[in-house]
Amino acid sequence: DVKVTQSSRYLVKRTGEKVFLECVQDMDHENMFWYRQDPGLGLRLIYFSYDVKMKEKGDIPEGYSVSREKKERFSLILESASTNQTSMYLCASSPHNTGELFFGEGSRLTVL
Amino acid sequence: TQLLEQSPQFLSIQEGENLTVYCNSSSVFSSLQWYRQEPGEGPVLLVTVVTGGEVKKLKRLTFQFGDARKDSSLHITAAQTGDTGLYLCAGRQTGANNLFFGTGTRLTVIP
Repeated sequence: DVKVTQSSRYLVKRTGEKVFLECVQDMDHENMFWYRQDPGLGLRLIYFSYDVKMKEKGDIPEGYSVSREKKERFSLILESASTNQTSMYLCASSPHNTGELFFGEGSRLTVL
Repeated sequence: TQLLEQSPQFLSIQEGENLTVYCNSSSVFSSLQWYRQEPGEGPVLLVTVVTGGEVKKLKRLTFQFGDARKDSSLHITAAQTGDTGLYLCAGRQTGANNLFFGTGTRLTVIP
């Protein structure tokens, strides 16, 4: 059964803390994505990667960074969390040049 | 700038009723997808449409891509409680690696 696995379903952090969100896919997909989901705003793309060690900024990259050292793993890093980064974070992967995104279950982050 | 606007944002209907959800844009897309997201889960792909005017059916769900490839609709016939969820449209522009997601329609089907 193919899968995208996000390391934490729920996290609570304090303002200024460093946050790591991990995502692993077992489908050998080239492309991986990080989105945040907020009510009324849909899904907004933070960063994506189309190959190991490659990354591209999405629509809202400010305050975030990413790492892709291995094909199956894509990490989202919040260097210094702020309250406006409280959100649901969704990781997805897709095969090269095809449309379908396969999503993880999401990580709900609360920054106090 | 929101490329894809969905309407309505919320929809609550009785089981057995029909409904239509709209996804509109001023931009042209090479393909458009519809996803459904259930509480506590990530979105799951329902369909991809690629040709202007294309109609695809998935059991009681009918998807249409506008002739100009700027808009799409999802029609559900005889809604069931299992149809409850967040419906998201997503468009891909020519040459782009990423999808632009719509604002979402949250559907509740009441038994």
